[in-house]
Amino acid sequence: SYVLTQPPSVSVAPGQTAGITCGGNNIGSKSVHWYQQKPGQAPVLVVYADSDRPSGIPERFSGSNSGNTATLTITRVEAGDEADYYCQVWDSSSDHYVFGTGTKVSVL
Amino acid sequence: EVQLVESGGGLKQPGGSLRLSCAASGFTFSINAMSWVRQAPGKGLEWVAYINTNSHYIKYADSVKGRFTISRDNAKNSLFLQMNSLRADDTSVYYCVSVTTSRFDYWGQGTLVTVSS
Repeated sequence: SYVLTQPPSVSVAPGQTAGITCGGNNIGSKSVHWYQQKPGQAPVLVVYADSDRPSGIPERFSGSNSGNTATLTITRVEAGDEADYYCQVWDSSSDHYVFGTGTKVSVL
Repeated sequence: EVQLVESGGGLKQPGGSLRLSCAASGFTFSINAMSWVRQAPGKGLEWVAYINTNSHYIKYADSVKGRFTISRDNAKNSLFLQMNSLRADDTSVYYCVSVTTSRFDYWGQGTLVTVSS
């Protein structure tokens, strides 16, 4: 089965830039989506199709995808960005949806 | 405003059954594929099941195949998950989610299912 690997945690100071990676075999050939989940809340889609943003999501959230790594970048990080972030793809080989292992972003 | 409201969660003994429901509003339910996604306490997200708009295409995660059944009633804007032969590792918050192409657009607040003796 297809595996998506994320770092368990990322720490960033307010105002700085956070990068969250999502590794998978030839992930650059897939469409990657990213979700933000704050404690006690349901996940929210923040980036879809590698780099598009749903309406209402700040421009500070952006994504890229190439080779074996997709990246979610959060610029000018705010305290309110502290959350768990998950990448997700649809694996055509298994016809299953796959989530990454999740990354906890801490704002120092 | 899109709303997905799950219900039916609770405490069940191993081997028992439970039926989850999801009431949808604020969008055209009948033209949206839907899924269930779950999250065990303190763990990550796991896709569980998918159903297309007319219920003709359904798929399941290997962990629930043969035990869970997803269904929908477009006339009542409702999604369901029949869960049989429950196991302790099915303990999770279950989210009702709308699906567009390969992404999960909107999520309900979830309903907690606890399987324990």
